[in-house]
Amino acid sequence: LAKTTQPISMDSYEGQEVNITCSHNNIATNDYITWYQQFPSQGPRFIIQGYKTKVTNEVASLFIPADRKSSTLSLPRVSLSDTAVYYCLVFSGSARQLTFGSGTQLTVLP
Amino acid sequence: NAGVTQTPKFQVLKTGQSMTLQCAQDMNHNSMYWYRQDPGMGLRLIYYSASEGTTDKGEVPNGYNVSRLNKREFSLRLESAAPSQTSVYFCASRDSFGELFFGEGSRLTVL
Repeated sequence: LAKTTQPISMDSYEGQEVNITCSHNNIATNDYITWYQQFPSQGPRFIIQGYKTKVTNEVASLFIPADRKSSTLSLPRVSLSDTAVYYCLVFSGSARQLTFGSGTQLTVLP
Repeated sequence: NAGVTQTPKFQVLKTGQSMTLQCAQDMNHNSMYWYRQDPGMGLRLIYYSASEGTTDKGEVPNGYNVSRLNKREFSLRLESAAPSQTSVYFCASRDSFGELFFGEGSRLTVL
């Protein structure tokens, strides 16, 4: 499994765009990149998944450079309710064991 | 469609007592997982089951046992609870695209 490294914490203000980067230097050819969001006292929730280039959905974008050794989760115009821990997870379709890294605590300030 | 259901949601045990955390999913997923999350920390994988009838150890299996009763259910048992096992336990199942679906968590306190 590819080891992931993320910043421990980030602060932002309401209305700003937030970019959280995850490093995964030993990502394998078959690996996908997935991001989860976790609010206090809740289980993590899937945000977005990608393999290469850019993926966008209604809540976020995921940017993956050509070498795929890192990825960036982009949250447009954050609000106070986006305060949460964000986890990057790298896995292959055949992977059985899924382990999470330490995550990034995002705090959105008014 | 309930997704992943965990019971109980809260439990207080005394050191040395045993208990089983139940987890059931109604999404017909093959893979299921048990994680623990200590206050202010990330998720650590305890055990997982890639399919009915199979179970494997994760990062922190000591002090736990699991049973994959059928495709829907994956239980976690603490045979002799210790204060170090005070945590929030999350069960998850995984679909064919790799997305994990988590339950609401079971908050366990061991005195």
